[in-house]
Amino acid sequence: EAQVTQNPRYLITVTGKKLTVTCSQNMNHEYMSWYRQDPGLGLRQIYYSMNVEVTDKGDVPEGYKVSRKEKRNFPLILESPSPNQTSLYFCASSPDLDNEQFFGPGTRLTVL
Amino acid sequence: QKEVEQDPGPLSVPEGAIVSLNCTYSNSAFQYFMWYRQYSRKGPELLMYTYSSGNKEDGRFTAQVDKSSKYISLFIRDSQPSDSATYLCATGPGRRALTFGSGTRLQVQP
Repeated sequence: EAQVTQNPRYLITVTGKKLTVTCSQNMNHEYMSWYRQDPGLGLRQIYYSMNVEVTDKGDVPEGYKVSRKEKRNFPLILESPSPNQTSLYFCASSPDLDNEQFFGPGTRLTVL
Repeated sequence: QKEVEQDPGPLSVPEGAIVSLNCTYSNSAFQYFMWYRQYSRKGPELLMYTYSSGNKEDGRFTAQVDKSSKYISLFIRDSQPSDSATYLCATGPGRRALTFGSGTRLQVQP
């Protein structure tokens, strides 16, 4: 089944404790991205990647890192999480810049 | 000003009603207009998209764009309880949406 998977789905952590949210797609898509979704603000792009080893900042990149060492994986790293990073995070992939994105099921992160 | 504005709802309607969901956008450079449906605890999925102005129909769903007033609409005919979800409008230069609205939560009561 073609899909985007994220792990973990739920995470509660404390301020400053480094964490990684994994994202994997099995559709051989070139383009992958991370979003956060907050009430009243909609989906905002954090980082995106147009191919292996090519990443770029989205609209709200502060406090986040990403890497794209393999085509299928695009982990989101929070080196020192803070409470304002409490949010619902979505990974998405698409074949290229012009085509529909497919979203993962989301990761609900709470930073205490 | 947000690039895409959307009434958050919730919007509650009886089964069988016609639903109208609306957005306004500010970036006139974008040519694609999308509607995503997001069920609770799931990621958004593309419902339909239109290119430039005009209407597009897909079963019970009709998407409409008025570029002169920068207004995007989604109509749902004969609404069903299974349509209960959050609907996100979005715009972009292609079908990969760049800017999303905050979503309207729809509840269809049986």
